[in-house]
Amino acid sequence: KAGVTQTPRYLIKTRGQQVTLSCSPISGHRSVSWYQQTPGQGLQFLFEYFSETQRNKGNFPGRFSGRQFSNSRSEMNVSTLELGDSALYLCASSLVQGRSTEAFFGQGTRLTVV
Amino acid sequence: AQSVTQLGSHVSVSEGALVLLRCNYSSSVPPYLFWYVQYPNQGLQLLLKYTSAATLVKGINGFEAEFKKSETSFHLTKPSAHMSDAAEYFCAVTPYNQGGKLIFGQGTELSVKP
Repeated sequence: KAGVTQTPRYLIKTRGQQVTLSCSPISGHRSVSWYQQTPGQGLQFLFEYFSETQRNKGNFPGRFSGRQFSNSRSEMNVSTLELGDSALYLCASSLVQGRSTEAFFGQGTRLTVV
Repeated sequence: AQSVTQLGSHVSVSEGALVLLRCNYSSSVPPYLFWYVQYPNQGLQLLLKYTSAATLVKGINGFEAEFKKSETSFHLTKPSAHMSDAAEYFCAVTPYNQGGKLIFGQGTELSVKP
């Protein structure tokens, strides 16, 4: 069974540009969450989608947005990139949305903003 | 609000020694707690989870954790460290009514000396 696939694995962007990251969940999983990981702030929750609807959102500015498609694949977009957006972005998928449900993580997309 | 605190950002043990990674939680409702491991340049992998069943939870790779309500703790242990256990370990909690969202601790980097 294929795991969570995130593309691209590495990305370099210039300040002010926008970027789109992609996440393909495990087949059959309907919940997709996104996290930002930085050395200073650690792992922070961005948002979660279930059946194409955003169910939860973290404390990030509106420059960070996402969506989920009918096949459960998800994208996140960051507009007007800032140097501080440099981070590892992790996507996780779950079979259902529930407090005890295991989240399976992808390898992440390493975004560098220069 | 629910949160977790990991005591010690770095822990170093000798191969064969006991591994003890500390996690304390804050929650006004019964928590759902998780331990994840992250190897370099990888995503996160679930080690074990507590969902209010047994207080002693056994996970993969010989790890286990004990939920102690009186101490608000969920420490991770392994009787004998192996070189392959070197990684970063994260404790996490799922907030009440926000299934699909994980709140992570700051992480503990485990080093294993030969």
